[in-house]
Amino acid sequence: DVKVTQSSRYLVKRTGEKVFLECVQDMDHENMFWYRQDPGLGLRLIYFSYDVKMKEKGDIPEGYSVSREKKERFSLILESASTNQTSMYLCASSYSRLPYEQYFGPGTRLTVT
Amino acid sequence: SQQGEEDPQALSIQEGENATMNCSYKTSINNLQWYRQNSGRGLVHLILIRSNEREKHSGRLRVTLDTSKKSSSLLITASRAADTASYFCATVYHTGNQFYFGTGTSLTVIP
Repeated sequence: DVKVTQSSRYLVKRTGEKVFLECVQDMDHENMFWYRQDPGLGLRLIYFSYDVKMKEKGDIPEGYSVSREKKERFSLILESASTNQTSMYLCASSYSRLPYEQYFGPGTRLTVT
Repeated sequence: SQQGEEDPQALSIQEGENATMNCSYKTSINNLQWYRQNSGRGLVHLILIRSNEREKHSGRLRVTLDTSKKSSSLLITASRAADTASYFCATVYHTGNQFYFGTGTSLTVIP
């Protein structure tokens, strides 16, 4: 079974802190994704990566950066957390060929106070 | 936005009834996928239908695709309380490999 794990299920941080969210997959997938999910807005893509050290901005990259030093690991970084980044963060991975079925981690609920 | 739109936003039915939710999208797709999300958890892939297919079945799930209307529907037959979850469609386009998720349908099955 494909497994995507995220470093924390719940996280509480203070405004201005640097926050690291980590995601690891064990299926040798080329693609990895970070989404945030907010009520009424569905899933919005923050960044995705199609290879090690490669990244592409999604729909809402502002305030975030990412790092992919190893194929299995994709990190989301909030350089200076703000209260409007309180959200559910979901990591996903997929092969880099159609049909691009995605496998999700359990999510990290981040609260910024 | 290329995000799909789902309808209805929320659905409440009795156990044993069928549940139908719909997804509309905007441009030509390669495939459309349905995912399920239990409260506070990640999404789980349910079923995929390719643009050259009109209907697919998987257990109690039936998906249809009408490319002329740019719409898809997910039918869950003989619903159970355990089907209570949010359901999302995701459209995959011919260009690039990004997904576009809809905003989801929240299904409540009352025992």
